[in-house]
Amino acid sequence: QSVLTQPPSASGAPGQRVTISCSGSSSNIRGNIVNWYQQLPRTAPKLLIYDGNKRPSGVPDRFSGSKSGTSASLAISGLQSADEADYYCAAWDDSLNGVVFGGGTKLTVL
Amino acid sequence: EVQLVESGGGLVQPGRSLRLSCAASGFTFDDYAMHWVRQAPGKGLRWVSGISWNSGKIAYADSVKGRFTISRDNAKNSLYLQMNSLRPEDTALYYCVKDDVATIPSDGGLDVWGQGTTVTVSS
Repeated sequence: QSVLTQPPSASGAPGQRVTISCSGSSSNIRGNIVNWYQQLPRTAPKLLIYDGNKRPSGVPDRFSGSKSGTSASLAISGLQSADEADYYCAAWDDSLNGVVFGGGTKLTVL
Repeated sequence: EVQLVESGGGLVQPGRSLRLSCAASGFTFDDYAMHWVRQAPGKGLRWVSGISWNSGKIAYADSVKGRFTISRDNAKNSLYLQMNSLRPEDTALYYCVKDDVATIPSDGGLDVWGQGTTVTVSS
């Protein structure tokens, strides 16, 4: 049971657009920045989106983040087979005084 | 090359202790906060603990508070996690992670991850 709630799975065909939601509360998402991480199979996680909607060097602009109230979303356009991975949202939680992660969403490219 | 290399994992009996280490290179270690994040087999990511650049601010997940101690040695570019009173539910891959800001609370992204060290707690 994670503090941030994500759907366990998502899928889309190559070239399609998919969104992954992340639901939180006023102690985390509403007042703090949401970051997103990508974990490819059998590898360490990688920062995908930071400061809400910024991409580290090397991350294509097919990936974008947004936030509204106590929810955030990750959008992936132009889906590719290489995008098959687990995706996690995360934010600082002021009540728990720590970083909280979503449970992760496994993305399948059909 | 920016790099984090963890060590110190292993098989340990419940109730015993273990100390994890993380060697950092390729960046100015004492400019950034650092964290430990764990991942149980087949499960998601769970933040364990974080420490500010000068050790002035430290935070722990409730599940490890009172049992784990995070520390850093900026002269040695190293991060540590002392784990006492280990429980089977502490079994996980432990990642050393760099923040992109200096202090906590952190709105920063966790921008550099090590490959992890495995801790197994079992009798």
